[in-house]
Amino acid sequence: SAVISQKPSRDICQRGTSLTIQCQVDSQVTMMFWYRQQPGQSLTLIATANQGSEATYESGFVIDKFPISRPNLTFSTLTVSNMSPEDSSIYLCSVGLQANVLTFGAGSRLTVL
Amino acid sequence: QQQVKQSPQSLIVQKGGISIINCAYENTAFDYFPWYQQFPGKGPALLIAIRPDVSEKKEGRFTISFNKSAKQFSLHIMDSQPGDSATYFCAASNWGAQKLVFGQGTRLTINP
Repeated sequence: SAVISQKPSRDICQRGTSLTIQCQVDSQVTMMFWYRQQPGQSLTLIATANQGSEATYESGFVIDKFPISRPNLTFSTLTVSNMSPEDSSIYLCSVGLQANVLTFGAGSRLTVL
Repeated sequence: QQQVKQSPQSLIVQKGGISIINCAYENTAFDYFPWYQQFPGKGPALLIAIRPDVSEKKEGRFTISFNKSAKQFSLHIMDSQPGDSATYFCAASNWGAQKLVFGQGTRLTINP
């Protein structure tokens, strides 16, 4: 299975600012996924990031709020823009090397004051 | 149609007991049902999974029971141990797809 590194592991940010989360995978993958895990809630898919094309966003998530980059087959970034306290969550990067098996990073815990 | 409902939200079990977590899905097109285990500070990791051609799958102390007609599946942890204390997520998807719909999660605590 893949090893996924996420940075930062946690951060505290001020309302109105933006934060970029990095995801590095130790093998080349076609699709990378960004999930949000709000406190006590489920894992919600934000978007799918394909190398060489624009990310595909799920209902309720927009590119202006969560711009994603995918410059190569091992790296992706998710930016949380113009943050509000409601954006306080754990953001998780994941990849699927086998059918139906997702490997997750440890997550980036974001607190917005 | 895309929801997966999981219960209970939290569960406390004595060491050696049986932990049971239940999930129900709506979309009859789903044909792959995994369970993920998440320890604090870590990402979720695949624990066990089942496809609807069987009604039960067992791996060590972990068993998935699947009821296709009721659109329900459950995770049973036999001889529960303190090391099993974690958050468990059920999920559902179409086989071959990598997009999973997750349940709300169950925080399991095993008391020594």
